[in-house]
Amino acid sequence: SQTIHQWPATLVQPVGSPLSLECTVEGTSNPNLYWYRQAAGRGLQLLFYSVGIGQISSEVPQNLSASRPQDRQFILSSKKLLLSDSGFYLCAWDTGAETEAFFGQGTRLTVV
Amino acid sequence: AQTVTQSQPEMSVQEAETVTLSCTYDTSENNYYLFWYKQPPSRQMILVIRQEAYKQQNATENRFSVNFQKAAKSFSLKISDSQLGDTAMYFCAFMSGTRSYIPTFGRGTSLIVHP
Repeated sequence: SQTIHQWPATLVQPVGSPLSLECTVEGTSNPNLYWYRQAAGRGLQLLFYSVGIGQISSEVPQNLSASRPQDRQFILSSKKLLLSDSGFYLCAWDTGAETEAFFGQGTRLTVV
Repeated sequence: AQTVTQSQPEMSVQEAETVTLSCTYDTSENNYYLFWYKQPPSRQMILVIRQEAYKQQNATENRFSVNFQKAAKSFSLKISDSQLGDTAMYFCAFMSGTRSYIPTFGRGTSLIVHP
């Protein structure tokens, strides 16, 4: 069966520090991978998606970047965090066809 | 552009009663897919129900059913016999082939079930 792992679950980082959130999927190959940010009252905002290794599409210009170094690994990064980067980040995958998305457990990021 | 609108930020219902959550979407396509996801306090997103636009029959999953009105671009979720464990955020989502089946989500509806 397929599983998705996302870590860390919570993170408190100072302004200006770097960020690395990691997400891995098991039990499937060539998934579509997604990073969403969830802010209160604003639903799920798509940040990045990837349809294959090294292929990253950005939905929202911002202080963040994403990489996909391996087929089932998706990383969200920042060189210097801003206060506005605080939020709940969700990684998700699907088959890239007419199926639902499966989500990781999320990361609560607080930038102080 | 495809948009998903959930006009009810918060809803509440008494245990054992029925509640309906609204969702409308905007698209010019004829073939697409709609979903309702549940996010309980644990924040783990879980699929509740899905609907293919080419199917006229409304999807049902136990106590959860949808009212899919394609012409009106409406996709509401009905929860029957509400239970305390139904307390959660509910997100409506849309996907279609012209956007590579990338899910687009609404802003969510917070549902509280009262004992």
